[in-house]
Amino acid sequence: ELKVEQNPLFLSMQEGKNYTIYCNYSTTSDRLYWYRQDPGKSLESLFVLLSNGAVKQEGRLMASLDTKARLSTLHITAAVHDLSATYFCAVDSGSRLTFGEGTQLTVNP
Amino acid sequence: DAGITQSPRYKITETGRQVTLMCHQTWSHSYMFWYRQDLGHGLRLIYYSAAADITDKGEVPDGYVVSRSKTENFPLTLESATRSQTSVYFCASRGTAKSNQPQHFGDGTRLSIL
Repeated sequence: ELKVEQNPLFLSMQEGKNYTIYCNYSTTSDRLYWYRQDPGKSLESLFVLLSNGAVKQEGRLMASLDTKARLSTLHITAAVHDLSATYFCAVDSGSRLTFGEGTQLTVNP
Repeated sequence: DAGITQSPRYKITETGRQVTLMCHQTWSHSYMFWYRQDLGHGLRLIYYSAAADITDKGEVPDGYVVSRSKTENFPLTLESATRSQTSVYFCASRGTAKSNQPQHFGDGTRLSIL
C-alpha cells in the first residue's frame, strides 16, 4: 500500500524567509503532483512532476522530484503573505492518486 | 461553462437518510474520482471510475455507492447516512491513467449529518 508523508504538517514563517516542504512516499512512482488549497476552497494544481530529476518553478515556488529517494520537495523563496494556504503532494500509482496529509503554511508579516 | 461541477454545495441531513451528491464534467474525461476531506486525514479516495459502467473501490468505500451510466456524470450516494460521514466531498476528473495532466477538482460539497 502506497503511503505518502509530508512534513512539516504546520509551518509558520515570516515574510521574506525561505523554507522547504518535504514529501516522502513508500513505493515506486515517477509521477507526483503538488496542489494548493485555500481555506474553504477546492484544490488547485501547482506542479506536475513526471520524471526523476524534474524541476518546476512558478514565482516563489519550486518543486523537484527524486524518484530514487522517493522524495519531492516544494521550496518557498522569500515568502509573502499570499502564499498562506495548505499544500498537498499527491503520488500517482497508475490510475489513482494518493495524497499526503497536507502542509498548512502561514506566512506572517 | 466547461469544467467540473458539484451539487449541492452544502447539504444538511439526518442520520439514516439517503443522500446523493452529484458530479458533472464537460471535458469527456475518462476517469472520475470521489474523495472525502477530513481534518488530519488529507484527501481519501472513496471510489473511482475509469469509464462509463466501470467503477472501483478506493481507500474508504464503506457506506457509499456510485454509478456511472454516462461519461460526464458520477453521482455518489450515501444509502443510510451516519454522523461519521460528515465531511467535505470532492469530485475530480482526469483524461486517462497515463495522462500528463493533473486531476481537476470540483468546488466540493460540504455535508453535515445530524
